[in-house]
Amino acid sequence: DTGVSQDPRHKITKRGQNVTFRCDPISEHNRLYWYRQTLGQGPEFLTYFQNEAQLEKSRLLSDRFSAERPKGSFSTLEIQRTEQGDSAMYLCASSPRPGHRTDTQYFGPGTRLTVL
Amino acid sequence: ELKVEQNPLFLSMQEGKNYTIYCNYSTTSDRLYWYRQDPGKSLESLFVLLSNGAVKQEGRLMASLDTKARLSTLHITAAVHDLSATYFCAVVTGKSTFGDGTTLTVKP
Repeated sequence: DTGVSQDPRHKITKRGQNVTFRCDPISEHNRLYWYRQTLGQGPEFLTYFQNEAQLEKSRLLSDRFSAERPKGSFSTLEIQRTEQGDSAMYLCASSPRPGHRTDTQYFGPGTRLTVL
Repeated sequence: ELKVEQNPLFLSMQEGKNYTIYCNYSTTSDRLYWYRQDPGKSLESLFVLLSNGAVKQEGRLMASLDTKARLSTLHITAAVHDLSATYFCAVVTGKSTFGDGTTLTVKP
């Protein structure tokens, strides 16, 4: 069990560019979550998947943000036309099915995005 | 919309003292989680509380859940410096809603 991994760990981009982040969950976990966290705040929910199905997403994901989990394993989060306000830490987490004895979310190290 | 409120947001305490962090939430849920975050790091799971009256303890930390009051507490006993971190509670209703965190500083 290698834990949740995210790539890249840091991304610096210019305003208006598109960026894509990848998350590899713990292999036996069927749920995968994306969050955004800014300094001094708790993680803000973006979306979550159960296997390949995107079950819920925040209003934020209806605009420039999109996420996919095509084969129910890794997931990608894309931000189009980045803005300076998108600068934040993007966290991915995975969890086993609800009711599992280890029912909690395991977080990856995050991708820190800086938009210049 | 579900709201999760923690208090206090900042807590400075001396080693050896006891204190309680409170987490109130606005809608029915039977699943509440506590996480710890160290500066510049990601989140680490501390406790999973899955039913009314649930109590979990690990070392100097004890968490409880009262679903009728929509309240969870994280009690710190005889604080030590290593407990300095930010603590988040989160309510899961499909999606996850986190509180804003309680930043704990334990001073000698």
